[in-house]
Amino acid sequence: AQSVTQPDIHITVSEGASLELRCNYSYGATPYLFWYVQSPGQGLQLLLKYFSGDTLVQGIKGFEAEFKRSQSSFNLRKPSVHWSDAAEYFCAVGGNTGKLIFGQGTTLQVKP
Amino acid sequence: DVKVTQSSRYLVKRTGEKVFLECVQDMDHENMFWYRQDPGLGLRLIYFSYDVKMKEKGDIPEGYSVSREKKERFSLILESASTNQTSMYLCASRSGPRETQYFGPGTRLLVL
Repeated sequence: AQSVTQPDIHITVSEGASLELRCNYSYGATPYLFWYVQSPGQGLQLLLKYFSGDTLVQGIKGFEAEFKRSQSSFNLRKPSVHWSDAAEYFCAVGGNTGKLIFGQGTTLQVKP
Repeated sequence: DVKVTQSSRYLVKRTGEKVFLECVQDMDHENMFWYRQDPGLGLRLIYFSYDVKMKEKGDIPEGYSVSREKKERFSLILESASTNQTSMYLCASRSGPRETQYFGPGTRLLVL
């Protein structure tokens, strides 16, 4: 079955600290992978996406993610978190069918 | 900038009412989607449309229908609203399977 798991429902980090949000997927074909962010009261905004090529992907707002096929993972990282990064983060997987499967989301809280 | 708009940010309806949620995109996108978002469940796909007058069921279509008479507009219909349809509804559009999905701000629906 196709699925996305974000093991951490809620994460709290101090401002300036590094961040890693985990994402594991199960997908039968070559996956397309996405990270979206949702600020309170807003729709989802794309942070970055991976289709092929370099497994380290750079996104907006200083985020990056690394695709590891052997671990079926696509973890999101940021070296130094800002208070404005507090939001909910969603990992998603898709393929040539065009449908996206989303994880449950991880809520990030940033301590001053 | 791509813009996806949804007709209402907040909506309160009574059980048994017929409810229409409207979504409009301004980028001539072929594909449009309706999701519902519930805490701890992430986004779940209700219906999607690859083109005008075309629709396909997503993962949770029961109790919903859709209409796409014009390329820019995708409507979600709750034929007879029930309390378990209280949720956040998100619309999205994109130009093709490998392209970014752009999301609207969402409609928070409360069914009493």
